[in-house]
Amino acid sequence: GAGVSQSPSNKVTEKGKDVELRCDPISGHTALYWYRQSLGQGLEFLIYFQGNSAPDKSGLPSDRFSAERTGGSVSTLTIQRTQQEDSAVYLCASSRRMTNEQFFGPGTRLTVL
Amino acid sequence: AQSVTQPDIHITVSEGASLELRCNYSYGATPYLFWYVQSPGQGLQLLLKYFSGDTLVQGIKGFEAEFKRSQSSFNLRKPSVHWSDAAEYFCAVASSGGYNKLIFGAGTRLAVHP
Repeated sequence: GAGVSQSPSNKVTEKGKDVELRCDPISGHTALYWYRQSLGQGLEFLIYFQGNSAPDKSGLPSDRFSAERTGGSVSTLTIQRTQQEDSAVYLCASSRRMTNEQFFGPGTRLTVL
Repeated sequence: AQSVTQPDIHITVSEGASLELRCNYSYGATPYLFWYVQSPGQGLQLLLKYFSGDTLVQGIKGFEAEFKRSQSSFNLRKPSVHWSDAAEYFCAVASSGGYNKLIFGAGTRLAVHP
């Protein structure tokens, strides 16, 4: 079946603009995670969804970052007023239940000029 | 706080040679442990995981890892490396008490010489 998909694959934006990154998890996966991969910080957890609720937002680096999930499926990560330090690859993962293997998408590479 | 240390940033081996990638973790209870591989421009693929039971776990692509509680280690091994194994390898830990929020190590980049 289809894996986790993310769009766009690449996004170049100017400092100060807002961006939206999308994640389509594997059908039937109730848990969804966002991670960020950057040169300076490695792989960092951002936020976790169980269904449509986000019990753990502890990894969001600032209030410019937000995420939502609708219908227990698609999730959108929004970054407002982007800064150059937001440049990174944003990875989404999903799993069938809380304690199962996470399947990762290919990521969205965000470049803030 | 949970943490993962991968002491080797880069490793180079010859094709056909054996491989061991080191991983040490810090976690107060029994952890869930994972090894992921990332090829250039690709997402992360799970190689293997340890939740409980037998401390030697087998994974895909001929990889295995051994959980050693006394050493807080979960080293990844392969007896004979193939050129296609060149990639970046990440060790990760997650809480056994809830959902799998993964804490990753910094990664080890593996190069394979022909």
